[in-house]
Amino acid sequence: DSGVTQTPKHLITATGQRVTLRCSPRSGDLSVYWYQQSLDQGLQFLIQYYNGEERAKGNILERFSAQQFPDLHSELNLSSLELGDSALYFCASSVEAGGPDTQYFGPGTRLTVL
Amino acid sequence: GENVEQHPSTLSVQEGDSAVIKCTYSDSASNYFPWYKQELGKRPQLIIDIRSNVGEKKDQRIAVTLNKTAKHFSLHITETQPEDSAVYFCAAKRVNTGNQFYFGTGTSLTVIP
Repeated sequence: DSGVTQTPKHLITATGQRVTLRCSPRSGDLSVYWYQQSLDQGLQFLIQYYNGEERAKGNILERFSAQQFPDLHSELNLSSLELGDSALYFCASSVEAGGPDTQYFGPGTRLTVL
Repeated sequence: GENVEQHPSTLSVQEGDSAVIKCTYSDSASNYFPWYKQELGKRPQLIIDIRSNVGEKKDQRIAVTLNKTAKHFSLHITETQPEDSAVYFCAAKRVNTGNQFYFGTGTSLTVIP
């Protein structure tokens, strides 16, 4: 167990719908990262938050948005869902701020869009 | 930004043989290089990491080497076992900058019993 939690574990929804994925980082970690992993694909970096502020953006679609709250948990919002959005979505966290920078991954949310 | 390239994309070895996966990076300011192992449907898990002030690090059958001049680092697995079969990802980052991790595209390792 990495200490990073993600909910829900599985999500099945229909095209055109909107969903919210939730991530709680390890205690003390300030950075949260979101990744998308489609079947047999690599880790596609979506977005990073550091202590509540957006720090870096990767290949994140305009239909997707995220935020990090004052308690450092983060949510990834996916809207107008398409079949191609079906994937594993991982959240990861790291401490930064003088810490060892080790990044720990959560168990992932498997999103299926029908 | 940083660009991390990883080779090979697939690798098959006989049980007991060694496996080597190589990554190159472009940003000379990157100074932290972790390796992750991901089994099917599971989360990536950190297996070993190295910082740029160190040339080599070992942990039992796993070792990582870093050549800062050439900007490449490699994962070495000796005496491979079937349970080593997984996808391995390398990554690069600037430590303590709040910056993102840059990942390689992954290597699917199969250890044949």
